[in-house]
This record gives sequence, structure tokens and C-alpha cells, in this order.
Amino acid sequence: AQKITQTQPGMFVQEKEAVTLDCTYDTSDQSYGLFWYKQPSSGEMIFLIYQGSYDEQNATEGRYSLNFQKARKSANLVISASQLGDSAMYFCAMREGSSGTYKYIFGTGTRLKVLA
Amino acid sequence: DTAVSQTPKYLVTQMGNDKSIKCEQNLGHDTMYWYKQDSKKFLKIMFSYNNKELIINETVPNRFSPKSPDKAHLNLHINSLELGDSAVYFCASSPTSGSLTYNEQFFGPGTRLTVL
Repeated sequence: AQKITQTQPGMFVQEKEAVTLDCTYDTSDQSYGLFWYKQPSSGEMIFLIYQGSYDEQNATEGRYSLNFQKARKSANLVISASQLGDSAMYFCAMREGSSGTYKYIFGTGTRLKVLA
Repeated sequence: DTAVSQTPKYLVTQMGNDKSIKCEQNLGHDTMYWYKQDSKKFLKIMFSYNNKELIINETVPNRFSPKSPDKAHLNLHINSLELGDSAVYFCASSPTSGSLTYNEQFFGPGTRLTVL
């Protein structure tokens, strides 16, 4: 079974609008972390935002926010006021395990295209 | 002041050859990883090392052998290269527990391996 599921292979959004990228996860750990990474066409992996399993508030980083719904095991990324430079692949990832033996599992990614 | 560096950036070689990819991080992190990203952009962990000790070895063929001479370096040697080894290989590092809460991974720029 997939531990990280991103059901949207591709998304379009109009410039300046908000967009939500979906991510659901599956784990039996009580302590885990959820991450979003951006991979532009140039290929590098850029860390965007983090949510810890014990964090009660949704994480925010500038135009990025993470809609964390623990009971539903979802960690959706919301990008507000989309910009052309946001066009990229976006990966949701989960960290399991304990310190020193962390394992990161990535979803299959969502390709976002921002339209002018 | 590059955080995680990989060499080479591109590697084109013939089937059956042996090649190495080098990775270095100057972040003082304890844990390093190798990932393979295939043509569909799926990112899969191959190995992780913590303080030079192998922690994760994910059903990777024996032709792949990681080596960590010290905790700042994690090299990947591949014997008898096959067509299916063509991919982008990412090195990453992360801290273990400490003052940092996120433990997010910092990725290198990737090495695009093409096997002809």
C-alpha cells in the first residue's frame, strides 16, 4: 500500500489564484513529520514547509500553508497568490522512524502549471 | 558555500561499465541518503547512512555499493551498469535530533546518469 498518496498527477491554476495540492499518508507511528518539496524544471529539490505530527497549528511559510487534518491523515499544500515561478513538480513526503534511523517516503508528485 | 554537492552532474556511459558518484555535505549533518528518481519523477530511497553506518538499504541490487569514508561524504559506486540504471541520483543529508526541529533533508543538485 502506498504510504504517501498524491492523487493529482497534474494541476493548472491561474496566476494570482490559490491552489491546493492533495496529499494523504498512512503510518502507524505516533511521531512523524510531513514535508513538501518543490522541484522546478531545473531539477533541484527545494524544501517548502514542514508539519510535525504533534503540531496543533497548521504550518505556514510565506505563501505556502499546510492544511493538516490528522484524523483524515491528510497534509494538503495550499499555495496562495500563485506566480508563474510556482510552475514545478511538488512532492509530499513523510518522515518515519526515530532519530538516526529516519526514513523519508515520497509521493509520486503533482505537476503544477501556473497560467498567465 | 554549497550545502550538499554532487559530482559529476552528468554521467554518460556504456552498459557494463563501472562508475562512481560522489557526494559531500558541509552542513555538519549526521545522516546522508541516496535517492533514485526515474523518468516518471518517482523518488525512491536507496540507502541511508548515519555517522558512517549503513541504516537503510532498500532492495537495491548488489551492483550498487555506497561508501561513507566520513560523515560528510557518501559515495555511490555502481558496477556493471544496465540500461535501467539511467535516472537522476540525488544525495541528501539531514540532521538527527538536536536544536533543529524539522530534520528536513537538504538535497544535492542531482546526477543525471545515462546508460547507453
